[in-house]
Amino acid sequence: GENVEQHPSTLSVQEGDSAVIKCTYSDSASNYFPWYKQELGKRPQLIIDIRSNVGEKKDQRIAVTLNKTAKHFSLHITETQPEDSAVYFCAASSGRNQFYFGTGTSLTVIP
Amino acid sequence: ETGVTQTPRHLVMGMTNKKSLKCEQHLGHNAMYWYKQSAKKPLELMFVYNFKEQTENNSVPSRFSPECPNSSHLFLHLHTLQPEDSALYLCASSQDSAGLSYEQYFGPGTRLTVT
Repeated sequence: GENVEQHPSTLSVQEGDSAVIKCTYSDSASNYFPWYKQELGKRPQLIIDIRSNVGEKKDQRIAVTLNKTAKHFSLHITETQPEDSAVYFCAASSGRNQFYFGTGTSLTVIP
Repeated sequence: ETGVTQTPRHLVMGMTNKKSLKCEQHLGHNAMYWYKQSAKKPLELMFVYNFKEQTENNSVPSRFSPECPNSSHLFLHLHTLQPEDSALYLCASSQDSAGLSYEQYFGPGTRLTVT
């Protein structure tokens, strides 16, 4: 089956700096890569996703890049704000109702 | 709340009890999922239903028994659980079609404590 690894497990940045979280996957059949944000005590919510036919996607301060050859994808958050503090999860799916999640990255943005 | 709802939000049960978790989605999705979320571990996919048919059972112990009476409702029946089953149980739904995956919408979860 698929194996998704996520790094780092914790990340602290100063407000205004950028944050980068990286994930690798093992199954070349995976073609959908969502990123979820989970604030303390709340449900995971999708913040951005990318499909394997695209190399990069941006949505305001958030971007995701995908390298299919190397089987890794990354989340980039620019101009971080305190409200960006949360746990971020990456996931990979091959479209057969199977989703494999990373272990999560706890991001703290220091004001 | 609209979207995906779960009840109860918190549950404490003994190892000999039988209880059920309920999930309901109001999004018209065709796939529903049960996940287990434990500290320091990735979200673990337990069961998947697509158009009411179970499509995945990821080696989950038989003390967890899912039920999907229709595309909007999903249950997880619990019996003779172990303390290590204590976790946050999340329900999710999505609109999967033509072999493509789409965004999953999660419920708020049920915090389960087994004593």
